[in-house]
Amino acid sequence: NAGVTQTPKFQVLKTGQSMTLQCAQDMNHEYMSWYRQDPGMGLRLIHYSVGAGITDQGEVPNGYNVSRSTTEDFPLRLLSAAPSQTSVYFCASSPLPHNSGRVAYEQYFGPGTRLTVT
Amino acid sequence: EDQVTQSPEALRLQEGESSSLNCSYTVSGLRGLFWYRQDPGKGPEFLFTLYSAGEEKEKERLKATLTKKESFLHITAPKPEDSATYLCAVQLIQGAQKLVFGQGTRLTINP
Repeated sequence: NAGVTQTPKFQVLKTGQSMTLQCAQDMNHEYMSWYRQDPGMGLRLIHYSVGAGITDQGEVPNGYNVSRSTTEDFPLRLLSAAPSQTSVYFCASSPLPHNSGRVAYEQYFGPGTRLTVT
Repeated sequence: EDQVTQSPEALRLQEGESSSLNCSYTVSGLRGLFWYRQDPGKGPEFLFTLYSAGEEKEKERLKATLTKKESFLHITAPKPEDSATYLCAVQLIQGAQKLVFGQGTRLTINP
């Protein structure tokens, strides 16, 4: 099992450019999410998905789009990059935590993408 | 508002010097609390899940404990390879799809 994979590892963009960060998992997890990590801020949730065709916003969704056409893939799109989006981005997956249940599933994280916007 | 606060921000220890990291949380309803380890340039790696006050989990030199308001990660006789950032996160009973993370504690163990 490769687990959660992310590409690219590093990316430099100019302000206004667009790009897609790729994320894939081979664990058949229903739940996938994107976080950004900034110094002193911890990990903040951008968007998440509870299954193919279903996505929702997290804490910091502005400037980012997502879609989920398959269970395996969950790409993150930056439509018009801004310097404030300079960060390290992590994708994660887990079995689906149901609101009516009590089990807490740990999330498995990818290796991250370091994005710099100039 | 649901909040998770970790302290200290950074901790430097000598090899063999035991200590504890703190994770305080204020949440509407706790489903579970996670501890992760993160090495530089890598994604977080899962360590423990704790569910209820009084619960303890151990792995090698690490022991995690939970009370109704906080969790501790105790490190006994640490080695340089234990150097990493340790992250705490909570999962809520309602809104379980969203994890709330603390800022992390950067631990350095000097040989």
